[in-house]
Amino acid sequence: ETGVTQTPRHLVMGMTNKKSLKCEQHLGHNAMYWYKQSAKKPLELMFVYNFKEQTENNSVPSRFSPECPNSSHLFLHLHTLQPEDSALYLCASSQDPGGAYEQYFGPGTRLTVT
Amino acid sequence: RKEVEQDPGPFNVPEGATVAFNCTYSNSASQSFFWYRQDCRKEPKLLMSVYSSGNEDGRFTAQLNRASQYISLLIRDSKLSDSATYLCVVKHDYKLSFGAGTTVTVRA
Repeated sequence: ETGVTQTPRHLVMGMTNKKSLKCEQHLGHNAMYWYKQSAKKPLELMFVYNFKEQTENNSVPSRFSPECPNSSHLFLHLHTLQPEDSALYLCASSQDPGGAYEQYFGPGTRLTVT
Repeated sequence: RKEVEQDPGPFNVPEGATVAFNCTYSNSASQSFFWYRQDCRKEPKLLMSVYSSGNEDGRFTAQLNRASQYISLLIRDSKLSDSATYLCVVKHDYKLSFGAGTTVTVRA
């Protein structure tokens, strides 16, 4: 088991719903990340937070809204999603984003948008 | 051009065989290189870093060729438990770029 947890593990939502994904890391890391993984595609970096400050927004649509209240918690707020947003959403953390440190991934939230 | 490209496979090999595969990257200024492993419906986990001089970790050998911008992974004496998707990962500044993965299936 890694020190990164994610809830919920599975989520089905309609296009008009609002939901949030939660990530928590217990590793004392300073950087946290959101990735999207679609079938047969590479992981896509969505957001990077370093010491609670957002340092990267990789051209993500505004229907995805991240929140990082402290260095251990990361949220992804979802609203008015599209069916093509269905994917595995992975949270990761690392000691810091600038070095060659390993990223530790959570188990992911499998999202289905109906 | 994709930042990181991998042969998706699958590579189907018998137990005990050797299997090797490459990945290529487009950014010549990339600084660090890794292989991650992802089991079916699980999260990626670091398998090994890749160093310029090449490195081994048990049955796994990784090589880096900066001139040709490719990374390789070789698995010797394959085990059933090696069945997974292997992700090539390239780091530039603070950003990791992932390949789509190479699937390896080891059969008994």
